Amino acid sequence: SYELTQPPSVSVSPGQTARITCSGDAFPRQYVHWYQQKPAQAPVLVMYKDSERPSGIPERFSGSSSGTTVTLTISGVQAEDEGDYYCQTADSSGAEFGGGTKLTVL
Amino acid sequence: QITLKESGPTLVKPTQTLTLTCTFSGFSLSTSAVGVGWIRQPPRKALEWLAVIYWDDDKYYRPSLESRLTITKDTSKNQVVLTMTNMDPADTATYYCAHAVVLISDYYFDYWGQGTLVTVSS
Repeated sequence: SYELTQPPSVSVSPGQTARITCSGDAFPRQYVHWYQQKPAQAPVLVMYKDSERPSGIPERFSGSSSGTTVTLTISGVQAEDEGDYYCQTADSSGAEFGGGTKLTVL
Repeated sequence: QITLKESGPTLVKPTQTLTLTCTFSGFSLSTSAVGVGWIRQPPRKALEWLAVIYWDDDKYYRPSLESRLTITKDTSKNQVVLTMTNMDPADTATYYCAHAVVLISDYYFDYWGQGTLVTVSS
C-alpha cells in the first residue's frame, strides 16, 4: 500500500488562488483524482487523471503534476468552494485517499 | 443519468455481519471499463476505500480488511452487495457506493450515492 499526503488546511480570501497539494511515492506512475466534499454531502469528482475536469465543474478548477506532487488549483476562489478536498489514486492493490484538506474561504 | 443508492441497516451489534446493497440506474455493470466501489467515512474523518468490483467480475479489497469483506454483483438487478463480517464500533461510518471508471491500471469514482450511516453499538 502507499500513503497520500495532503496539508490539513488551506485558507484563502475570496478571489485569491488556492493550491492544494497531494504527495505520494506512487507518483508520477499513477494518476491522481480529486473530490470536493461539503458538510453532510457525498463527495463530488472535480478533477480526474491529474488535470481533466469533469463536465459541470467550473473552469477555475485546474490540476497539475510535477514529480511526486500533484496540485489542485482553484483560481478566483469563491465562497461556495469551501469544503474538504481529497486526492485519490489506485493501482492493482486497490485505491487510496489522501487525508483530506479543509479549504476555508476567509 | 447515473444514480446510486445505498440501503441496509442503520444499527448493527458488535460481531454481527453487515450487508449493504447498492442499487443503481443509468449504467450497466456488464459494460466494459465500468465498476462499482464502496467507500466509507467515519464521523469527522477521511474517506477510506473498501472494495471495488469490475464489469468482468474482478474484485479488489482493502488489504487490511480483505478477510472481512465480500463484494458481489447482480447485473440483472443492477445491484452490488457488500458484506462485512465481525463488525466493531470502529466500523461506525457513512458507507458510500460509487460508479467507477476503470482505466488501464487505475480507476476513479465519478458518481456517488448519498451514503448511509451505519452505527455499530450494543
